[in-house]
Amino acid sequence: QPVLTQPPSASASLGASVTLTCTLSSGYSNYKVDWYQQRPGKGPRFVMRVGTGGIVGSKGDGIPDRFSVLGSGLNRYLTIKNIQEEDESDYHCGADHGSGSNFGYVFGTGTKVTVL
Amino acid sequence: QITLKESGPTLVKPTQTLTLTCTFSGFSLTTSGVGVGWIRQPPGKALEWLALIYWNDDKRYSPSLKSRLTITKDTSKNQVVLTMTNMDPVDTATYYCAHRLEAVAAYRFDYWGQGTLVTVSS
Repeated sequence: QPVLTQPPSASASLGASVTLTCTLSSGYSNYKVDWYQQRPGKGPRFVMRVGTGGIVGSKGDGIPDRFSVLGSGLNRYLTIKNIQEEDESDYHCGADHGSGSNFGYVFGTGTKVTVL
Repeated sequence: QITLKESGPTLVKPTQTLTLTCTFSGFSLTTSGVGVGWIRQPPGKALEWLALIYWNDDKRYSPSLKSRLTITKDTSKNQVVLTMTNMDPVDTATYYCAHRLEAVAAYRFDYWGQGTLVTVSS
């Protein structure tokens, strides 16, 4: 199964941009990754899915246009432009692996985003 | 509007069996392509997927926990139940249930409950 690696923290000044990275382990470059936002004390919220071609399907409910994704090689990126105080959250990536009876799901360790 | 809510004990003793219930609204677990999953998060640690049940009663389990987990559904009550046997302090975590959608270009855990914290301690 893939291993998803995320840096533990990132920060940006209010109104600036920040790009978060989720790196798939070697051999999984064709995998799609899901991004989730988790505000303090809340359950995760689906943001969107990304593959090497960009967004897969639609964004989650209520996700603003300033959230966007890209994918390249083993990396899947989530960019937040014009970052707001409400964007201060933990961001997790996750991925399906296998299918049918071998289905599984793995998560990265999460990145804590601080708005300065 | 899809909502999910987890319920169950907040404290269990080591070796006991944990039973958690996910009560949902806004969708039916008889609809093709729909499932409900369980995910947990130990304090300060990463999310971990546990189990998933589909509209057709197919079930999937985390390989590392498969021997301890059972997931069932009651469509008449709009509930999904997860049992985990032989609880240990390392199982202390917030447990979440989530709506799973599997449709063309739309595979995702797209709605989550607020979570319930379960502490394992004697």
